[in-house]
Amino acid sequence: AQKVTQAQTEISVVEKEDVTLDCVYETRDTTYYLFWYKQPPSGELGFLIRRNSFDEQNEISGRYSWNFQKSTSSFNFTITASQVVDSAVYFCALSEAGSNYKLTFGKGTLLTVNP
Amino acid sequence: SAVISQKPSRDICQRGTSLTIQCQVDSQVTMMFWYRQQPGQSLTLIATANQGSEATYESGFVIDKFPISRPNLTFSTLTVSNLSPEDSSIYLCSVGSGTGSNEQYFGPGTRLTVT
Repeated sequence: AQKVTQAQTEISVVEKEDVTLDCVYETRDTTYYLFWYKQPPSGELGFLIRRNSFDEQNEISGRYSWNFQKSTSSFNFTITASQVVDSAVYFCALSEAGSNYKLTFGKGTLLTVNP
Repeated sequence: SAVISQKPSRDICQRGTSLTIQCQVDSQVTMMFWYRQQPGQSLTLIATANQGSEATYESGFVIDKFPISRPNLTFSTLTVSNLSPEDSSIYLCSVGSGTGSNEQYFGPGTRLTVT
């Protein structure tokens, strides 16, 4: 069974601070995919990144970076120099290769960036 | 990525009535999904809707309550029947990317309030 845990329910930071959102996952499959999605107050869920289980390289995209570590079953997300526009709920999700695309979401982390 | 639209964007309905939500995609997709997001909660998969076959429902969701149609490769509807206040949620449709990576793109959601 697949499971995603986002232990941080809410995080509040001041603009320009760095912030890391934690994600820990459980799966018995050797082939799986990990995702991060952003849901701003408007409600629309935006795709941020996908990682497959065979690619442990960290990824950087502008102010965003992701640290995938299979040894600890974690896929953490860091925002550098946070901005007010980063305020949103961030969801980590897992999909096993044989699951017919089924996504299991964590409970989400509400990030508030204050000016 | 596919462009997905949903109608209505929001609605307020009386208990005992039904609401049908439409999901339109700008390209042909094999797999479409319907999710529910209850207030302050994560996303839960209701069902998978593939064209030409019956929808596959997740545990806790039944066809009588959530009938789904998938008449072609670009369109689907979800009906929420016999509404109660507990059905107040955001309902989102999503589509598979078709890349074999289990990636999904989400529509903007339909915010339902049941009074």
